[in-house]
Amino acid sequence: DAGVIQSPRHEVTEMGQEVTLRCKPISGHDYLFWYRQTMMRGLELLIYFNNNVPIDDSGMPEDRFSAKMPNASFSTLKIQPSEPRDSAVYFCASSLPGISGNTIYFGEGSWLTVV
Amino acid sequence: QKEVEQNSGPLSVPEGAIASLNCTYSDRVSQSFFWYRQYSGKSPELIMSIYSNGDKEDGRFTAQLNKASQYVSLLIRDSQPSDSATYLCAVEGYSSASKIIFGSGTRLSIRP
Repeated sequence: DAGVIQSPRHEVTEMGQEVTLRCKPISGHDYLFWYRQTMMRGLELLIYFNNNVPIDDSGMPEDRFSAKMPNASFSTLKIQPSEPRDSAVYFCASSLPGISGNTIYFGEGSWLTVV
Repeated sequence: QKEVEQNSGPLSVPEGAIASLNCTYSDRVSQSFFWYRQYSGKSPELIMSIYSNGDKEDGRFTAQLNKASQYVSLLIRDSQPSDSATYLCAVEGYSSASKIIFGSGTRLSIRP
């Protein structure tokens, strides 16, 4: 089975440019998460969706960040305008909670560098 | 206070010994607890999950949960060099179902 698919894997962009990260969750999973990982702050939850609806976006750092999930198989995380402090690894993850709990599965990450 | 706290390490353990990793959490009504392993440059992968007080064993790994003390740990027996990685503790809240928060991770190094 295909896992969580993210693109691009690596992106280098200039400060002020728009960045769009994409994610395809595991088929059948109804939760989708966006995390950001840095050395200083660890793995931070930015936003998560249930059945395409945003449930909690309290982790989104500021208005420059936005996320959408137009359908069950696609989500985007957009940064506009980007800043050097946005440089991080952005992970998308998905899950299907059941009686055994809520195990989330991560994509390989999008490595973003803003110069 | 952070929601999930871990000692950042590095924790150095000789090969063949037991590695003990610890995690505390602040939400008293948290329901589910997870340990993930992350190799450098890779994404986190699930090792174990635990939901009830006590011990849960899976091969060389044992997860221990004490809800009264808000404490969860991971023991790795017969540590191997391939166990060298960062171990992330994750907690799923009750009040915010399915919201999974991670600790900052503990770096584990197994020395031959």
